[in-house]
Amino acid sequence: NAGVMQNPRHLVRRRGQEARLRCSPMKGHSHVYWYRQLPEEGLKFMVYLQKENIIDESGMPKERFSAEFPKEGPSILRIQQVVRGDSAAYFCASSMPGQDSGNTIYFGEGSWLTVV
Amino acid sequence: AQSVTQLGSHVSVSEGALVLLRCNYSSSVPPYLFWYVQYPNQGLQLLLKYTSAATLVKGINGFEAEFKKSETSFHLTKPSAHMSDAAEYFCAVTTYSSASKIIFGSGTRLSIRP
Repeated sequence: NAGVMQNPRHLVRRRGQEARLRCSPMKGHSHVYWYRQLPEEGLKFMVYLQKENIIDESGMPKERFSAEFPKEGPSILRIQQVVRGDSAAYFCASSMPGQDSGNTIYFGEGSWLTVV
Repeated sequence: AQSVTQLGSHVSVSEGALVLLRCNYSSSVPPYLFWYVQYPNQGLQLLLKYTSAATLVKGINGFEAEFKKSETSFHLTKPSAHMSDAAEYFCAVTTYSSASKIIFGSGTRLSIRP
């Protein structure tokens, strides 16, 4: 009964490169969230996705950031032309919305991006 | 729209003392409320949740929280702190709608003094 799986756990990129973070939700979960956590700060909502559909992307930066959750395969958070300010922990969470679940979300262990 | 406010970014208690972490929420519809715990360099783990059933909710590790609609609060308590409780604690709010994202508070760092 695997939980939310994120990879890579740690990623180092040079300024200007692209970073791709992957997230496989818990079995049976249809919805995925991405959050960003900067050092000594709380969790900032980025995007909320359902398979093949973006439900809410109000927290995504307007440029360089994109997310998808295809019909098959993991959800991908893509950061183009990374800058030092993108260095953070990126957490994925998944849920199966419904009355019984109370919309509870379960987190992965995070992907730590370092931009050098 | 929903929001959540955690009062006190850092709380320090002695081992064996009462733990009280405060959370107030704002929601235009009945909320679902959560407490999560985060240990260093790890993801968030669900402690407990309120989803409109019993107002006093018991969670893991001896924690509990009480939903008080009149005070719009969902404070987290534990009668006796243990050294292993030292961590970051996050309160979160959402609603019954599957289109409603989950919003987190800014977190409270709990330190335990020997």
